[in-house]
Amino acid sequence: DIQMTQSPSTLSASVGDRVTVTCRASQSISSFLAWYQQKPGKAPKLLIYKASSLENGVPSRFSGSGSGTEFTLTISSLQPDDFASYYCQQYNSDFPNTFGQGTKLEIK
Amino acid sequence: QVQLIQSGAEVRKAGASVTVSCKASGDTFSYTINWVRQVPGQGLEWMGGLIPIFDTVNYAQKFQGRVTITADKSTSTTYMELSNLRSEDTAVYYCARDRAGYGTTFFDYWGQGTLVTVSS
Repeated sequence: DIQMTQSPSTLSASVGDRVTVTCRASQSISSFLAWYQQKPGKAPKLLIYKASSLENGVPSRFSGSGSGTEFTLTISSLQPDDFASYYCQQYNSDFPNTFGQGTKLEIK
Repeated sequence: QVQLIQSGAEVRKAGASVTVSCKASGDTFSYTINWVRQVPGQGLEWMGGLIPIFDTVNYAQKFQGRVTITADKSTSTTYMELSNLRSEDTAVYYCARDRAGYGTTFFDYWGQGTLVTVSS
């Protein structure tokens, strides 16, 4: 299976900050990567798919980039509602899909 | 409007089986329905997905032989049965609609989650 490694595991930031979360794949997955946001006690919410495509209804302050083995999720100006956990997921069709271990975004 | 409504929390003894249901409404008929679990305080783990266009199910190797995913088309309900439960199966189980109908890709709608607690 393809291993997905996110960094950092925890990120402390303030409202208005620009933050970046990184996700690395153990082998190339082209652009078959999605990002999710999850709040405590809730189901994950799709933010980004195909590495950089913004899901309908997701604020434009979220963006994704990368291809191959290295990917980033950027929030351009943190809002109070953005403090949550974030997960990447690879969905290369040749392999079972797998998630990163998650990044918890905390208020500094 | 797509909605996935899951059955309620379950408590089982180790060695038993549990079945969680996921009733769909809206545009879900031709899309893969996946099952993903989350052990408390940990990450997300894909278990398997039912692909309606091919009438097949793909399972994660870790769960092969212990998990069975089925569907009742007449009620738009998908079921996930996990057998031979152990304490480490205590988790929240989610169903999730795949954006694709031909395989497993990414998940755009999720159920509310079902907590399964396994006691020894």
